[in-house]
Amino acid sequence: KQEVTQIPAALSVPEGENLVLNCSFTDSAIYNLQWFRQDPGKGLTSLLLIQSSQREQTSGRLNASLDKSSGRSTLYIAASQPGDSATYLCAVYNTDKLIFGTGTRLQVFP
Amino acid sequence: KAGVTQTPRYLIKTRGQQVTLSCSPISGHRSVSWYQQTPGQGLQFLFEYFSETQRNKGNFPGRFSGRQFSNSRSEMNVSTLELGDSALYLCASSSRTSESSYEQYFGPGTRLTVT
Repeated sequence: KQEVTQIPAALSVPEGENLVLNCSFTDSAIYNLQWFRQDPGKGLTSLLLIQSSQREQTSGRLNASLDKSSGRSTLYIAASQPGDSATYLCAVYNTDKLIFGTGTRLQVFP
Repeated sequence: KAGVTQTPRYLIKTRGQQVTLSCSPISGHRSVSWYQQTPGQGLQFLFEYFSETQRNKGNFPGRFSGRQFSNSRSEMNVSTLELGDSALYLCASSSRTSESSYEQYFGPGTRLTVT
């Protein structure tokens, strides 16, 4: 049974710091991995999708890597801003559905 | 291109009642999935519809059901509501041309409160 874990559960940092959020999964037979952002009470915004054949994806200040063999993904946020404050979720798609991690709640203060 | 839309956005129901939630996917997307989000259980998969057929189902009781119409719009229904059904219900659509390119786009959700 696929299990997805995210560390840390919460993070509070000053503006400008570079951040690394971690995601680990137990079954490496995945089709892809997707990172999402969720603002309080809102839906999910897709940030990056990494297909199983890829090692990383980049979008602006965000970079996500994938190491299937070790069951890990990291989301790197460069030069964090207060507007980055949200919960970040990773999810793996390995048979027929997305399986989500529990998320990392990020707060960036000025 | 318009995103995924869900109606209603907020709903308050009483135990024992039933409720129907609606989701309109991104134009051209034929796959619609439903998820339940609660503070205790996080995000859990309910079911997926593709071309009007339920393709996959999560581990939820039969009180949770859904359907998809020919225009890909989907509805989910919860009968005999329980307090534990209070949650944010999220709908996601995908073009699902192949598993390797599968990417889901989520709507804003419907916040259901059962009293």
